[in-house]
Amino acid sequence: NAGVTQTPKFQVLKTGQSMTLQCAQDMNHEYMSWYRQDPGMGLRLIHYSVGAGITDQGEVPNGYNVSRSTTEDFPLRLLSAAPSQTSVYFCASRQGVMSDQPQHFGDGTRLSIL
Amino acid sequence: AQSVTQPDIHITVSEGASLELRCNYSYGATPYLFWYVQSPGQGLQLLLKYFSGDTLVQGIKGFEAEFKRSQSSFNLRKPSVHWSDAAEYFCSVVGKGGADGLTFGKGTHLIIQP
Repeated sequence: NAGVTQTPKFQVLKTGQSMTLQCAQDMNHEYMSWYRQDPGMGLRLIHYSVGAGITDQGEVPNGYNVSRSTTEDFPLRLLSAAPSQTSVYFCASRQGVMSDQPQHFGDGTRLSIL
Repeated sequence: AQSVTQPDIHITVSEGASLELRCNYSYGATPYLFWYVQSPGQGLQLLLKYFSGDTLVQGIKGFEAEFKRSQSSFNLRKPSVHWSDAAEYFCSVVGKGGADGLTFGKGTHLIIQP
């Protein structure tokens, strides 16, 4: 019962490098989302998807791209990493598109940009 | 815009003592409310949720929360804490209906004294 799986768990990048954070869920959930967690800030929504082929921006989308080609996968791309993107990134999914379902979280990816 | 305030950044409680973590929200109507717990290096685990009906909701690990519409609050309680309860606790809200992501408070760090 894997749930939401994020890879890698840790990554160090240099400024300007690109990278893709992977997220996969095996629960056939329609809704998937990405959050970033910064000290003293709680979690903030970056992007979300209500199904394959459909994505939308959250609160802090700048510097990040997403795509949803399958129900299972929702990768997050950093095209040109900046030190301000040093954070812990969480992927989450929920069963329905509507908000009356709790979200299931992965264990996070700790990303450092030098 | 919706917002969540957790006024206590840190709380220290003796093992066996009772616990109350405060959460106030700002939203145009009654939202869906959640409490999540995060252990160090882990993702977020759902403790409990409030959608409608009985304003006192029971969750996992012996936690409960009470929704008070007049105070826009959703405080988390536990009658007797255990050392394993030491973690970060997040209150979150989401609008009813639609594909909204969660809005989180900044979290309360719970420390358990022996």
